[in-house]
Amino acid sequence: AQKVTQAQTEISVVEKEDVTLDCVYETRDTTYYLFWYKQPPSGELVFLIRRNSFDEQNEISGRYSWNFQKSTSSFNFTITASQVVDSAVYFCALSVANYGQNFVFGPGTRLSVLP
Amino acid sequence: EAGVAQSPRYKIIEKRQSVAFWCNPISGHATLYWYQQILGQGPKLLIQFQNNGVVDDSQLPKDRFSAERLKGVDSTLKIQPAKLEDSAVYLCASSLDLRHEQYFGPGTRLTVT
Repeated sequence: AQKVTQAQTEISVVEKEDVTLDCVYETRDTTYYLFWYKQPPSGELVFLIRRNSFDEQNEISGRYSWNFQKSTSSFNFTITASQVVDSAVYFCALSVANYGQNFVFGPGTRLSVLP
Repeated sequence: EAGVAQSPRYKIIEKRQSVAFWCNPISGHATLYWYQQILGQGPKLLIQFQNNGVVDDSQLPKDRFSAERLKGVDSTLKIQPAKLEDSAVYLCASSLDLRHEQYFGPGTRLTVT
């Protein structure tokens, strides 16, 4: 069975600080996909990134970056120079490639960026 | 491009009543998902459709929940009879196929009293 762990329940930082959100996943499948979603106070989940298990290249998009390490089964998310608008709940998710996959979300990390 | 549409946005019912939610996915998306998100938790997958066929409904409480996706486009999720513990936000999402990212609708907040 698949599982996603986000050990940090809540994080508070001051604006302009860097912050890293941790994600650890478990799966026996060799082909799988990892995702990060943002859920702002408005409630609608917003897709941020998708990574497949064969692509361990780190990704940078503006102030966001992702570090995928298969050796530690981790897919961490870093926000550089955080802003108040980054305040949200962030979810890491996992799906496997076989037909009938079960898309699993982690419990989420609530990030509060204080002015 | 229009996003995933859901209605109603809010619903309050008494326990033992029935309720139905509607979802219209992004045009061309073959895969449709229904999730239940209880306050403070991550979304939990209830059912997943590929076109109009069910791919995964292992976590759907089938004694009271049902869902259908007629013609492989719109979908409805029904709860009958509702229980207090069904109070949650019900999210609909769609994706091109099983491997691609999902796009979520605004959700329906259900309160069962």
